[in-house]
Amino acid sequence: SQELEQSPQSLIVQEGKNLTINCTSSKTLYGLYWYKQKYGEGLIFLMMLQKGGEEKSHEKITAKLDEKKQQSSLHITASQPSHAGIYLCGAVPSYNQGGKLIFGQGTELSVKP
Amino acid sequence: DTAVSQTPKYLVTQMGNDKSIKCEQNLGHDTMYWYKQDSKKFLKIMFSYNNKELIINETVPNRFSPKSPDKAHLNLHINSLELGDSAVYFCASSQGGNSNQPQHFGDGTRLSIL
Repeated sequence: SQELEQSPQSLIVQEGKNLTINCTSSKTLYGLYWYKQKYGEGLIFLMMLQKGGEEKSHEKITAKLDEKKQQSSLHITASQPSHAGIYLCGAVPSYNQGGKLIFGQGTELSVKP
Repeated sequence: DTAVSQTPKYLVTQMGNDKSIKCEQNLGHDTMYWYKQDSKKFLKIMFSYNNKELIINETVPNRFSPKSPDKAHLNLHINSLELGDSAVYFCASSQGGNSNQPQHFGDGTRLSIL
């Protein structure tokens, strides 16, 4: 079965610093999603990547999918306290499996003012 | 105008009881899901329904019974609750059950078994 491994598991950064979270799959990804979860809340969809080499940005967050479609990174530039939360990568393990997503174990981000 | 709404948000009950969690989406999606997030924040699929039809049943104990009265609703009934059922349960929806459309999640139901 396919697994997603995220690193690091937790991260504490000073406000204004850049950071990167990685998500590595044991098999080829057919779609890679990044979500953010705040305590007591649901998952907020950030970005979706499908093509090898694809890169997307939203405000200060950039996500990339490598050419082999087995690794994705999420980069936050000039972090702010509002970026704090748990970042989860999710993937469709293979095409047309009822849309189920498998998730990494999450990366907990704290941003110190 | 909440897109995916779950009720209740918190549920505290005793072992052995039966409880239900409701989910509704107003996004017009045709596919809905239930996920379970354990104490280590690991999120795992339980069920998915497409147009009221069960698509995925991920080896969940049969004490858990999903019901979809229409494509905008997917409820989860749990019989004979056990301590290990304590978790956060998330409902999600998407258009189509493929990798092209993101899933939108509710805020979760925090179930605690005493």
